[in-house]
Amino acid sequence: KNEVEQSPQNLTAQEGEFITINCSYSVGISALHWLQQHPGGGIVSLFMLSSGKKKHGRLIATINIQEKHSSLHITASHPRDSAVYICAVGDNTDKLIFGTGTRLQVFP
Amino acid sequence: EPEVTQTPSHQVTQMGQEVILRCVPISNHLYFYWYRQILGQKVEFLVSFYNNEISEKSEIFDDQFSVERPDGSNFTLKIRSTKLEDSAMYFCASSRLAPGNQPQHFGDGTRLSIL
Repeated sequence: KNEVEQSPQNLTAQEGEFITINCSYSVGISALHWLQQHPGGGIVSLFMLSSGKKKHGRLIATINIQEKHSSLHITASHPRDSAVYICAVGDNTDKLIFGTGTRLQVFP
Repeated sequence: EPEVTQTPSHQVTQMGQEVILRCVPISNHLYFYWYRQILGQKVEFLVSFYNNEISEKSEIFDDQFSVERPDGSNFTLKIRSTKLEDSAMYFCASSRLAPGNQPQHFGDGTRLSIL
């Protein structure tokens, strides 16, 4: 059974700071997802990756398959980045296993 | 951009009653999912659906739950006899390709409150 751990659980930052959120998993996966959950509850998919690095705007996601570890970075953070960021992993089944999320608050 | 839509946004039901949560996945998507998030807890997989049948389900998805794609556009989750512990946010998601090959697109969720 895959366990997904995220750190930190809560993160507070000043606008403009560089943010890193970490995710570790215990068993081999087919893909790792980073998701953003807004205060109202809606979930948006940010990245799906199985190797290397992906970038979209100010967001960067990396994964190290050997170390079973992924990071989500936010450059030049902004108050609108405030949300819960969730790591989820998929194996060769349809099931996604979710981490508990990291609650990020960015203050002006 | 196409969206997954869920209705209603909030459903309040008496314990023991049946409830149907509705989802309209993105039109050219072939894989459909339901997830649940109890308040303050992590999101949990319930069931996946492909080619008009369940392809995978979790231990949570017992005989009280069923899914259906009645008309080629809607995808529904039915809970036959609701319990207090069914209170949660329920998310529908869809993807065009098989899991692992494409991100899933999520709806905004239905908040289910059982009284």
